[in-house]
Amino acid sequence: RKEVEQDPGPFNVPEGATVAFNCTYSNSASQSFFWYRQDCRKEPKLLMSVYSSGNEDGRFTAQLNRASQYISLLIRDSKLSDSATYLCVVNIGSWGKLQFGAGTQVVVTP
Amino acid sequence: NAGVMQNPRHLVRRRGQEARLRCSPVKGHSHVYWYRQLPEEGLKFMVYLQKENIIDESGMPKERFSAEFPKEGPSILRIQQVVRGDSAAYFCASSPLVQGSNEKLFFGSGTQLSVL
Repeated sequence: RKEVEQDPGPFNVPEGATVAFNCTYSNSASQSFFWYRQDCRKEPKLLMSVYSSGNEDGRFTAQLNRASQYISLLIRDSKLSDSATYLCVVNIGSWGKLQFGAGTQVVVTP
Repeated sequence: NAGVMQNPRHLVRRRGQEARLRCSPVKGHSHVYWYRQLPEEGLKFMVYLQKENIIDESGMPKERFSAEFPKEGPSILRIQQVVRGDSAAYFCASSPLVQGSNEKLFFGSGTQLSVL
């Protein structure tokens, strides 16, 4: 079983629509959670951290469910520029030894 | 204020040759991490270094791979006697020496290694 699992997609989303997807993690000792964005296998860029109470950053909302060990990302009012691969990332330690999911591809269409 | 600089961007090697990948962290950052991304897979942790010290190399293959972060100069990931399976994107990341912030990593653009 992979440590961080994601639906690879692609999720084809009309511009302006909402899309949501999850990831699950296997290590219950995981301490920190993030969503990163990766374009065409370029460097991953931090999109947002994920907090236990859930958090929002503009059109992006992240949720964490520790009991079920999953994280979700919701994108509202999708833009063409949101097309990317979204990486679910888990940190089980106190420093940057991150565990990455393989990514969920989102394709926003006009 | 330059970010993490990696070079070369693309590196082509024949089987059996050596590959040297360089990473200059963000100025002032003393923690460097190397990750590898195989095709169709997520990034996998390889090694975590501080200046002149290897802190965690649990993700490094036992043979042919080595990493260093000297007191002066960039961090180097060295792969000896490369094989086709080493073809991947190698990403370097850095973080500052501030407790609790080590998880905020700044990634370089990566080196795409192709082994012929």
